[in-house]
Amino acid sequence: DGGITQSPKYLFRKEGQNVTLSCEQNLNHDAMYWYRQDPGQGLRLIYYSQIVNDFQKGDIAEGYSVSREKKESFPLTVTSAQKNPTAFYLCASSREDEQFFGPGTRLTVL
Amino acid sequence: GENVEQHPSTLSVQEGDSAVIKCTYSDSASNYFPWYKQELGKRPQLIIDIRSNVGEKKDQRIAVTLNKTAKHFSLHITETQPEDSAVYFCAARRDNAGNMLTFGGGTRLMVKP
Repeated sequence: DGGITQSPKYLFRKEGQNVTLSCEQNLNHDAMYWYRQDPGQGLRLIYYSQIVNDFQKGDIAEGYSVSREKKESFPLTVTSAQKNPTAFYLCASSREDEQFFGPGTRLTVL
Repeated sequence: GENVEQHPSTLSVQEGDSAVIKCTYSDSASNYFPWYKQELGKRPQLIIDIRSNVGEKKDQRIAVTLNKTAKHFSLHITETQPEDSAVYFCAARRDNAGNMLTFGGGTRLMVKP
């Protein structure tokens, strides 16, 4: 399952702190995505980027920020403005139709 | 925007039986419909997809059907096996939305041996 990696696997944050989740891919894919997964709600799109130095908000972007300075990397910052950040976060990348997912980061706010 | 609803949320079948999961979508401009399987503790993986110019697609024990008029599509798994136990997600993509997918809420399939 190589190709797209996320770190860390588990992350704990205190309320009021910003935290950054890492996503790296070596698949030479142009497009990258961040999803949030909550029980019973499927995958909801937070942000996506179709090319370096460009990204767009998804359905639930409030309280999150991203950057895309390199093709291989698409880090997600969960800010203190996100009111309910405890969730499982999945990163994905694609060249054509199929999206390839990373292993995910489980974020828990204490 | 697009809205995708998926039913049922949980499905329990006996090994060897068939399983059917249904999804409806709201945007008639959607033209690509993938299905992802997520085993416990693992990442989602694409298992089959269908485009709007095709009514049915099969791959061994799995098949997907699409009814564009009714705006619904279904996943069919025949001869289910315990390793089919997982959460299945349907998704839809609009023609002018890059590769942005809208996912359904997921179906937890349990295959009892």
